[in-house]
Amino acid sequence: GAGVSQTPSNKVTEKGKYVELRCDPISGHTALYWYRQSLGQGPEFLIYFQGTGAADDSGLPNDRFFAVRPEGSVSTLKIQRTERGDSAVYLCASSHPGQMNTGELFFGEGSRLTVL
Amino acid sequence: AQSVTQLDSQVPVFEEAPVELRCNYSSSVSVYLFWYVQYPNQGLQLLLKYLSGSTLVESINGFEAEFNKSQTSFHLRKPSVHISDTAEYFCAVSGYSGNTPLVFGKGTRLSVIA
Repeated sequence: GAGVSQTPSNKVTEKGKYVELRCDPISGHTALYWYRQSLGQGPEFLIYFQGTGAADDSGLPNDRFFAVRPEGSVSTLKIQRTERGDSAVYLCASSHPGQMNTGELFFGEGSRLTVL
Repeated sequence: AQSVTQLDSQVPVFEEAPVELRCNYSSSVSVYLFWYVQYPNQGLQLLLKYLSGSTLVESINGFEAEFNKSQTSFHLRKPSVHISDTAEYFCAVSGYSGNTPLVFGKGTRLSVIA
């Protein structure tokens, strides 16, 4: 489809395991964002990419979290040594170059991560 | 830095009744303001936005929001709600300068009752 695609839609893992979440943005969107939404909370900013580089990673909670976008399109959010507190819905969004400053983001449906 | 407060976590309302979802923001710089909606089992979608110009902005499905700078508010209103408006609504803010990321409120769950 033409929207932002996130896989997997659901991931259940055990504490201490490594997890990768993938985001495929809308074609032509150079900006890509990762947010995390915990139960009862609004989306919380993690990191955003302009092209291949991370323009702002100030929202990453600690060094267990890392994200890449090697070719400026698909992005992968990587979480090492998962903890129960990492359980949340991880949202990816992208935006057109002309819309980045005006906040018009297009969101995927999210990847629900459950850490047991 | 910016922050957003949505005072109501849940708002139940009868069909065809009016509704107001409250949003207040805090920022040291000028801002853009947004309402996003999340329908059940769907991703977040932009509902409406204030960038500049007229302080009253409207969506295609009858919602409106008014930017009030003196009260730092951007409340969302609809004069007559439908069952299909049942969803979670998020207010969001971004700063004018640079590529500042959107900051979201905690959301308000609107439940329309038949």
